Amino acid sequence: KAGVTQTPRYLIKTRGQQVTLSCSPISGHRSVSWYQQTPGQGLQFLFEYFSETQRNKGNFPGRFSGRQFSNSRSEMNVSTLELGDSALYLCASSLEIAYNEQFFGPGTRLTVL
Amino acid sequence: AQSVTQLGSHVSVSEGALVLLRCNYSSSVPPYLFWYVQYPNQGLQLLLKYTSAATLVKGINGFEAEFKKSETSFHLTKPSAHMSDAAEYFCAVSATNTGNQFYFGTGTSLTVIP
Repeated sequence: KAGVTQTPRYLIKTRGQQVTLSCSPISGHRSVSWYQQTPGQGLQFLFEYFSETQRNKGNFPGRFSGRQFSNSRSEMNVSTLELGDSALYLCASSLEIAYNEQFFGPGTRLTVL
Repeated sequence: AQSVTQLGSHVSVSEGALVLLRCNYSSSVPPYLFWYVQYPNQGLQLLLKYTSAATLVKGINGFEAEFKKSETSFHLTKPSAHMSDAAEYFCAVSATNTGNQFYFGTGTSLTVIP
């Protein structure tokens, strides 16, 4: 089975721009979660989607949004980028049960200049 | 609510020595606990998980962890460190009432000294 894939792997944007990141989960996984990883804050949960519905949301401003398609692929969007949005954005997919592990993609490294 | 505390952001051990990475959790319901490893410029890889079966959990690469409810701990150990174990390690907790929302600790960077 192919693993979780994320595109693009690297991205450079300037302040005020918007960005869309993509995540393709492992085949059969219907839950997709997004995390932001920074040296100062560590891994922070952004949101989780299951069957095209946002099921959980972390404590991030409304500039961060996401969606999930019928094939379980997910996108996250960040509007009006700020310098502090520079981070590694990780996507993880899993089966729907809480005790199942999350499988992580390699991440998208976003740099905001 | 769930949370995880990892004591020691940096741990150094000699090659061949015992590895002990500490994790304490807080959970209002029976937790599910996980240890992940992250190598530079990569995503997270699962080492092991506790899902209320055996309290001593064996994982990949010789790692194991013991769930101690009385101490609310889930420490990660490996009897003999190898150079390839140098990485960032994350403890995470999940629970039935949070869907698939994982709460991660701040991570422990493991250095292995030759």
